[in-house]
Amino acid sequence: AQRVTQPEKLLSVFKGAPVELKCNYSYSGSPELFWYVQYSRQRLQLLLRHISRESIKGFTADLNKGETSFHLKKPFAQEEDSAMYYCALRTDKLIFGTGTRLQVFP
Amino acid sequence: SQTIHQWPATLVQPVGSPLSLECTVEGTSNPNLYWYRQAAGRGLQLLFYSVGIGQISSEVPQNLSASRPQDRQFILSSKKLLLSDSGFYLCAWSDPSKSSYNSPLHFGNGTRLTVT
Repeated sequence: AQRVTQPEKLLSVFKGAPVELKCNYSYSGSPELFWYVQYSRQRLQLLLRHISRESIKGFTADLNKGETSFHLKKPFAQEEDSAMYYCALRTDKLIFGTGTRLQVFP
Repeated sequence: SQTIHQWPATLVQPVGSPLSLECTVEGTSNPNLYWYRQAAGRGLQLLFYSVGIGQISSEVPQNLSASRPQDRQFILSSKKLLLSDSGFYLCAWSDPSKSSYNSPLHFGNGTRLTVT
């Protein structure tokens, strides 16, 4: 079955601490993975995609096929990173995880 | 530039009443259109998607239906709402002329539906 799992509903850290938002997927094909973010009072929007190996707002995510994971990481969290983060897997459609709310305290 | 409009922003409806949520996209042609529902603890659940006028794929059997009467209009409907239909409904579009990696979903602001 195709599935995306985000085990943490809420992740709270202090400013400057490292952040890792976990995402695991289940898919028999070659995965296409994304992270979407929704800041307070803003629309859900694309943060980054795995194939680009890009760093957006200091966030990176590496696809680990052996562990079927696509964790989102940032070495030093900022208060403005507080948001809802969704991991997504594209098959013939886009499947989202349940999301993790990141709270960064000053 | 492309924009997506979704309305209403909030809606409170009694059980058994009909529903119609509308979504329109501007600035692009023949977009792929999607309806998602966000319910507490369940993430974003794909309800319907459409690759063209009159072409609707249903992902989850339920009390809802979708229609695409025009190229850039996507409507979510119900004849009789259930309490379980409460949730946050998001419309989205993507550009089918681009590869899947270069065509992210662009979401509307969403509609919060409360069925009482």
